[in-house]
Amino acid sequence: AQTVTQSQPEMSVQEAETVTLSCTYDTSESDYYLFWYKQPPSRQMILVIRQEAYKQQNATENRFSVNFQKAAKSFSLKISDSQLGDAAMYFCAYETNSGYALNFGKGTSLLVTP
Amino acid sequence: DVKVTQSSRYLVKRTGEKVFLECVQDMDHENMFWYRQDPGLGLRLIYFSYDVKMKEKGDIPEGYSVSREKKERFSLILESASTNQTSMYLCASRVANQYEQYFGPGTRLTVT
Repeated sequence: AQTVTQSQPEMSVQEAETVTLSCTYDTSESDYYLFWYKQPPSRQMILVIRQEAYKQQNATENRFSVNFQKAAKSFSLKISDSQLGDAAMYFCAYETNSGYALNFGKGTSLLVTP
Repeated sequence: DVKVTQSSRYLVKRTGEKVFLECVQDMDHENMFWYRQDPGLGLRLIYFSYDVKMKEKGDIPEGYSVSREKKERFSLILESASTNQTSMYLCASRVANQYEQYFGPGTRLTVT
């Protein structure tokens, strides 16, 4: 079975600080894409960042960056200079070339305190 | 901007009722998805459609069916709603062979 594990159901960070959300996944395939999605309270899920498994360089999008360790099947999300608007549920997901849909983790609820 | 809309944000139905959840996207996307989101379980795929009139079962299709008669619209049908189908339902769409999915706002369905 292909799975995604987010071991932190809840995390808390102070404004302007840095937080890292962890994710591990399990797939036997070598070609796949990894994603972090953000779901703010009562709002639509949006893509935060994407990483192609064949790329060694870690993806970055402004204050969001990932630490992709392919051998360890680890894909953590780092949020720098946290803002109140970052408070949301964060989902890690992947999709393989042979698959047709995303495999999601159970999510990490991020609280940002002033 | 890609827009994915769902017919209702909140819906309350009675056990045994037939329920239709509608999803419409305005970007001519080939692929459309229905997920179910439950606390502590994340998102689970119910059905996937890769084009008009095409569908594939996802991880939890039991108790659900789908219809895709037009490219922009993907309907999820609960033939006889049960209380264990109380959940948040999310629709998504994307261009074929692209990986990013665009999500709708979700429908929170309560079956009493």
